[in-house]
Amino acid sequence: GEDVEQSLFLSVREGDSSVINCTYTDSSSTYLYWYKQEPGAGLQLLTYIFSNMDMKQDQRLTVLLNKKDKHLSLRIADTQTGDSAIYFCAESISGGSYIPTFGRGTSLIVHP
Amino acid sequence: KAGVTQTPRYLIKTRGQQVTLSCSPISGHRSVSWYQQTPGQGLQFLFEYFSETQRNKGNFPGRFSGRQFSNSRSEMNVSTLELGDSALYLCASSSRGQLEKLFFGSGTQLSVL
Repeated sequence: GEDVEQSLFLSVREGDSSVINCTYTDSSSTYLYWYKQEPGAGLQLLTYIFSNMDMKQDQRLTVLLNKKDKHLSLRIADTQTGDSAIYFCAESISGGSYIPTFGRGTSLIVHP
Repeated sequence: KAGVTQTPRYLIKTRGQQVTLSCSPISGHRSVSWYQQTPGQGLQFLFEYFSETQRNKGNFPGRFSGRQFSNSRSEMNVSTLELGDSALYLCASSSRGQLEKLFFGSGTQLSVL
């Protein structure tokens, strides 16, 4: 199975909060990342969290990490139409190459 | 600082041909990684080059190869193209370290007919 799993789609109304979830399998993950991909573009790093942290907040973005359950989430407050994109969760593993392993991405659709 | 530049942006080839894609990393970045993105398989790691040496390799056949030059620019080559090679090929550069902040280019969209 995949190392990093995400649901494929999420639809929210503009102004609501979005929560994108991710599960990973490797308990030795060092860093966990969220990337955003807009149509016709490459991936852009949104935020990251070190594996000894539980939470990280950056403006409208909140990352929660449950290391016991190997669950990572990205909450986007006051979601806007410009947030419509594909969001990728990724992990890099300590003692390895540190090359991130990506999930398949969650397509976030924000409708008015 | 200029971002990661990939050329060409779009490419159409036929089966059996070969193709070379180019990537110029952010100035100062010595690591360049290549990824293949398809709707069915998602984002799959091809290989990583650091200081002209291939440091890591994904699970792709030998038809996929790459190299890195002394100025950190990288090229990726695919020989004997197959229909299944149609994908968006993304290049990412980083300063390399435990925290892997990857900076991606916009990709090369390859269509194999």
